[in-house]
Amino acid sequence: EAQVTQNPRYLITVTGKKLTVTCSQNMNHEYMSWYRQDPGLGLRQIYYSMNVEVTDKGDVPEGYKVSRKEKRNFPLILESPSPNQTSLYFCASSRTGTRREAFFGQGTRLTVV
Amino acid sequence: AQSVTQPDIHITVSEGASLELRCNYSYGATPYLFWYVQSPGQGLQLLLKYFSGDTLVQGIKGFEAEFKRSQSSFNLRKPSVHWSDAAEYFCAVAVNSGGYQKVTFGIGTKLQVIP
Repeated sequence: EAQVTQNPRYLITVTGKKLTVTCSQNMNHEYMSWYRQDPGLGLRQIYYSMNVEVTDKGDVPEGYKVSRKEKRNFPLILESPSPNQTSLYFCASSRTGTRREAFFGQGTRLTVV
Repeated sequence: AQSVTQPDIHITVSEGASLELRCNYSYGATPYLFWYVQSPGQGLQLLLKYFSGDTLVQGIKGFEAEFKRSQSSFNLRKPSVHWSDAAEYFCAVAVNSGGYQKVTFGIGTKLQVIP
């Protein structure tokens, strides 16, 4: 089954403790991205990657890092999480080029206390 | 830069009633337009998309949307709502940006369906 898998689904952590949210897709998509979803703000793009070893900032990249060492994986790293990073995070993937809809993971609910 | 406006944050409809969710976009050219649905605890699922051609597009679950260039709108409709349609709906616009497709989402419309 074609899917985007995120782990963990839920995470509660303390301020400053480094964490990683994993994302994996099995569709051989070149393009992957991370979004955060906050009430009243919709989905905002954090980082994206057009292919292996090619990443770039989205609209709200501060406080986040990503890597793309393999085509299928695109982890999101919070080196020193803060409470304002409490949010619902989604990973998405798609083929590159135009007219490509995105496929989304089920989300990771992160709470930073 | 492109933008998407969903003016209704919450909408409540009775089961069996018709539904229209509004979406307006801002972009200099014709963008690619999408509607996604997010059920509670789930990721976003594509309902339908518009790229070109016929301005009335059909999607899954009985939804349709009409692109109106003159109004910069892409409203989502369903003739008869089912209780299972209760979810949050996101309109999105995609434009070509530096070799990739940048997607901007609206803030979402939460649909409540009452018996």
